[in-house]
Amino acid sequence: DAKTTQPNSMESNEEEPVHLPCNHSTISGTDYIHWYRQLPSQGPEYVIHGLTSNVNNRMASLAIAEDRKSSTLILHRATLRDAAVYYCILRDVGYGGATNKLIFGTGTLLAVQP
Amino acid sequence: DAMVIQNPRYQVTQFGKPVTLSCSQTLNHNVMYWYQQKSSQAPKLLFHYYDKDFNNEADTPDNFQSRRPNTSFCFLDIRSPGLGDAAMYLCATSRDPLSPQFFGPGTRLTVL
Repeated sequence: DAKTTQPNSMESNEEEPVHLPCNHSTISGTDYIHWYRQLPSQGPEYVIHGLTSNVNNRMASLAIAEDRKSSTLILHRATLRDAAVYYCILRDVGYGGATNKLIFGTGTLLAVQP
Repeated sequence: DAMVIQNPRYQVTQFGKPVTLSCSQTLNHNVMYWYQQKSSQAPKLLFHYYDKDFNNEADTPDNFQSRRPNTSFCFLDIRSPGLGDAAMYLCATSRDPLSPQFFGPGTRLTVL
């Protein structure tokens, strides 16, 4: 599976936007970009995913670079409840690769200051 | 609300004493997964069931087994827990292999 690179930690202020970067320079054409987050003492939570086009949902937006070698998860207004580890994960859904395996990297620990 | 339930939330066992962790889901999802998450590490997939088909990860120790008696329930059996098996065990489900996964709150296992 292709790997991702994320900063170990980031800080944000409450009510401000947060841009969480992810590099995936070896992404293949059949890799989807998934984001999950894990709040303290909880299981991971699905946030968003996309293939080529930017995606929006009620939790966040996902901006994908034109060459797909990087992406950015955008939280439009950070709250204290958004403090978590954010994982950027590539999932291969191509022919013979649809095992739905999530390979978690180290993720980015987001701290939100009041 | 539809959800993934794990019982117990905290489990203490003794070195070498078999232990079973349980997971149930009300989502009627076809796929169920077990992950292991050690302290300060990312979750690591142990195995998953797609309906009744069991899929073991290559590096999952033989000490770990799983059962899925029906769609709603899945169990993780650790036959002879060692100190290195102390971890958070996470259960997850998905509608199909290509859909997002929904995780339970986890069971924290302590081995004395």
